[in-house]
Amino acid sequence: ETGVTQTPRHLVMGMTNKKSLKCEQHLGHNAMYWYKQSAKKPLELMFVYNFKEQTENNSVPSRFSPECPNSSHLFLHLHTLQPEDSALYLCASSQDFGQGFNQPQHFGDGTRLSIL
Amino acid sequence: RKEVEQDPGPFNVPEGATVAFNCTYSNSASQSFFWYRQDCRKEPKLLMSVYSSGNEDGRFTAQLNRASQYISLLIRDSKLSDSATYLCVVTLYSSASKIIFGSGTRLSIRP
Repeated sequence: ETGVTQTPRHLVMGMTNKKSLKCEQHLGHNAMYWYKQSAKKPLELMFVYNFKEQTENNSVPSRFSPECPNSSHLFLHLHTLQPEDSALYLCASSQDFGQGFNQPQHFGDGTRLSIL
Repeated sequence: RKEVEQDPGPFNVPEGATVAFNCTYSNSASQSFFWYRQDCRKEPKLLMSVYSSGNEDGRFTAQLNRASQYISLLIRDSKLSDSATYLCVVTLYSSASKIIFGSGTRLSIRP
């Protein structure tokens, strides 16, 4: 059981498609994150939202576009992706994100994305 | 040099053994440290935070050595269910905040 729910679990799309990944957390947290996990590579932090404001964008290509309409929901809009974008995309949440950040993050099950 | 480095393993040890692995980090200003556990094809889950004074949770002991810039995880009396990948996580909050995951150490406990 997880308090962070991601949909869809699997997604196959062509390079010209537009799709969105969805994340919802039921933990009352104020910070949400997108991570990318590629095979044989560590998790890479992509975006951080704290109280609905984007605080971090770790040099992510513009073909990935996040949206955080409220503290409980986070989206990742995808368009014109490349084959190297195939990976597991994980959403996480924590109480908040700030100076001296020392909180646990709760992860969703992830969306396994394959780009044809 | 990677910001966070872990021995990828795999560590293959018998049930009941004690196993330890380290994680080194490059930025001396790093502020908080964690061990997460990730089972195959599952999401990471927090195992324990790592405090300066060291901390213990049952069979698990975590330590932080700021002078040498590493954290460690010790697992005593290992169980089959401890088989997983253990991820070291280091955070740094500054003008460019970072949450950095290590590549993980694979642990396999054999009967």
